[in-house]
Amino acid sequence: EAEVAQSPRYKITEKSQAVAFWCDPISGHATLYWYRQILGQGPELLVQFQDESVVDDSQLPKDRFSAERLKGVDSTLKIQPAELGDSAMYLCASSFVAGGRSDTQYFGPGTRLTVL
Amino acid sequence: GENVEQHPSTLSVQEGDSAVIKCTYSDSASNYFPWYKQELGKRPQLIIDIRSNVGEKKDQRIAVTLNKTAKHFSLHITETQPEDSAVYFCAAQYSGGGADGLTFGKGTHLIIQP
Repeated sequence: EAEVAQSPRYKITEKSQAVAFWCDPISGHATLYWYRQILGQGPELLVQFQDESVVDDSQLPKDRFSAERLKGVDSTLKIQPAELGDSAMYLCASSFVAGGRSDTQYFGPGTRLTVL
Repeated sequence: GENVEQHPSTLSVQEGDSAVIKCTYSDSASNYFPWYKQELGKRPQLIIDIRSNVGEKKDQRIAVTLNKTAKHFSLHITETQPEDSAVYFCAAQYSGGGADGLTFGKGTHLIIQP
């Protein structure tokens, strides 16, 4: 069964450093989402892509976070500079588009970021 | 924007008993309500979902009910088993094209006592 892939699985960095996370969605899934999950809470949407275009980045802290999906397939989320409060699980999800609307979202295993 | 409240935060039940988790949402435009199960250190996995044109959906021991008027939906697990122990998240979405990210509740830690 196809799954969403993410790397790295774990990342430890010092504050003020730059970090980057990679996501490869399920083949054929046009919609890709990045979520942040703080320990003990539900995931919160950061950014949504439809193919290579950003559909929603209203919750993305744009002063330090950036996301791209250049060829409409895999995606990279970057944080520069990292802050202590960025420690969290970063989850990628993808969904198939049918009839103009997105279907079930399937999640990747996540990247657990620790900022020291 | 949408706001989803989930209760209880922790639920402990005896193996074989039923468990019920409740969620409320604020945006009447939301029309899709999935439930995810997340085991420690693992990805959230969809266990059941319901769309706003349906009042109830069942899949073996798991069922979800939706009350659009009251804007609340519930997850019901019957004959609980040890492998049901996990954190369960409800979510709401407006699925009509465009921005359709999920808004999640804070999660319920379900503990199945042997």
